[in-house]
Amino acid sequence: DAGITQSPRHKVTETGTPVTLRCHQTENHRYMYWYRQDPGHGLRLIHYSYGVKDTDKGEVSDGYSVSRSKTEDFLLTLESATSSQTSVYFCAISESTGGVVEKLFFGSGTQLSVL
Amino acid sequence: AQKITQTQPGMFVQEKEAVTLDCTYDTSDQSYGLFWYKQPSSGEMIFLIYQGSYDEQNATEGRYSLNFQKARKSANLVISASQLGDSAMYFCAMRGTGFQKLVFGTGTRLLVSP
Repeated sequence: DAGITQSPRHKVTETGTPVTLRCHQTENHRYMYWYRQDPGHGLRLIHYSYGVKDTDKGEVSDGYSVSRSKTEDFLLTLESATSSQTSVYFCAISESTGGVVEKLFFGSGTQLSVL
Repeated sequence: AQKITQTQPGMFVQEKEAVTLDCTYDTSDQSYGLFWYKQPSSGEMIFLIYQGSYDEQNATEGRYSLNFQKARKSANLVISASQLGDSAMYFCAMRGTGFQKLVFGTGTRLLVSP
């Protein structure tokens, strides 16, 4: 157990509403990630963080923003949800040796449905 | 940029047999890492095995081994003595030099029959 908690586990929302997903870790890892999983696409990186207030975009960042005000929390916000953002969202932390990622541990995922 | 290709959408194997899941990758980096994850129907992502590009030996973890062929840019997962509980989606992933993020393939669904 890598000590990652995602909340909520499930959410249904309407198009145009803001949504925030939370990822909480208890292991004090520097790197945290948000991925989305869609059929036929595998997992795609949305945003990641390499420290408090240090974040960067992934390959599918449009329509998403993130914040990391504390080491343990990484928030993903959909400013105005669209149906194309219906997906399963995974948070992850990395375990590194000498600065090289050797393992990525995932949270349980959040199933988001935008109607 | 890194790219992972998994060409087998689905694979079938009988219990107790071995199965190979294919993964090819593309990168211009000299140093990189390759990963395999399992996703059962419950949805969680389970780390299985890791191979560094400079590791001389193929990685093994119990019944899982990674058949790393650098010249062919392939990193196939071999599961020996398949069990019913091995039925799941399997994802290959990689990270490049200096990158702390992983790129994933589209996955292979494995079904183990009695």
